[in-house]
Amino acid sequence: SYVLTQPPSVSVAPGKTARITCGGNNIGSKSVHWYQQKPGQAPVLVIYYDSDRPSGIPERFSGSNSGNTATLTISRVEAGDEADYYCQVWDSSSDHLMFGGGTKLTVL
Amino acid sequence: EVQLVQSGAEVKKPGESLRISCKGSGYSFTSYWISWVRQMPGKGLEWMGRIDPSDSYTNYSPSFQGHVTISADKSISTAYLQWSSLKASDTAMYYCARHSGSGSYFNYWGQGTLVTVSS
Repeated sequence: SYVLTQPPSVSVAPGKTARITCGGNNIGSKSVHWYQQKPGQAPVLVIYYDSDRPSGIPERFSGSNSGNTATLTISRVEAGDEADYYCQVWDSSSDHLMFGGGTKLTVL
Repeated sequence: EVQLVQSGAEVKKPGESLRISCKGSGYSFTSYWISWVRQMPGKGLEWMGRIDPSDSYTNYSPSFQGHVTISADKSISTAYLQWSSLKASDTAMYYCARHSGSGSYFNYWGQGTLVTVSS
């Protein structure tokens, strides 16, 4: 089955830029979606189709996808961005969906 | 407003059966797939499987095939996740999530149902 690999943790100072990666074999040929999950809450979609933002998600959140790596970029990081972030793809050939292992973003 | 409202927390003993629910409102229930996602304590998200409420077609992750059953009653806009014999390892938070129109991602989530299995 298709495997998505994320770093377990990323740390960043307030106001700086955080980049969270999601690795997969030729992931650039797939659509990648990203979710934010804060403690005790359900996940929230922050990026879909690699780089689109749902309404209500700040422009500070952006995404890219090429080759074997997709990246979620959070600019001008705020304390409120501290959360777990998950990448996700849907394999249309098997009709199976998979998540990356998740990355804990810590704001220093 | 689209809402997915899940049933309340459950405490069960090993070997017992259980069905939890997810009621959709604010949209056409039969027009969007519903998936179930498991999150074990302190762990990540795991996709369990999905159902097409229009015809009850289901597709399961290989990790969960045969261990759970996903169903839906479109007359009451409700999807279900059920176990016939719970194990302690089923202790987790379970989320239902509505797929997007394309089916490839989730744009709405339920609030989660905590299932605790303990003797």
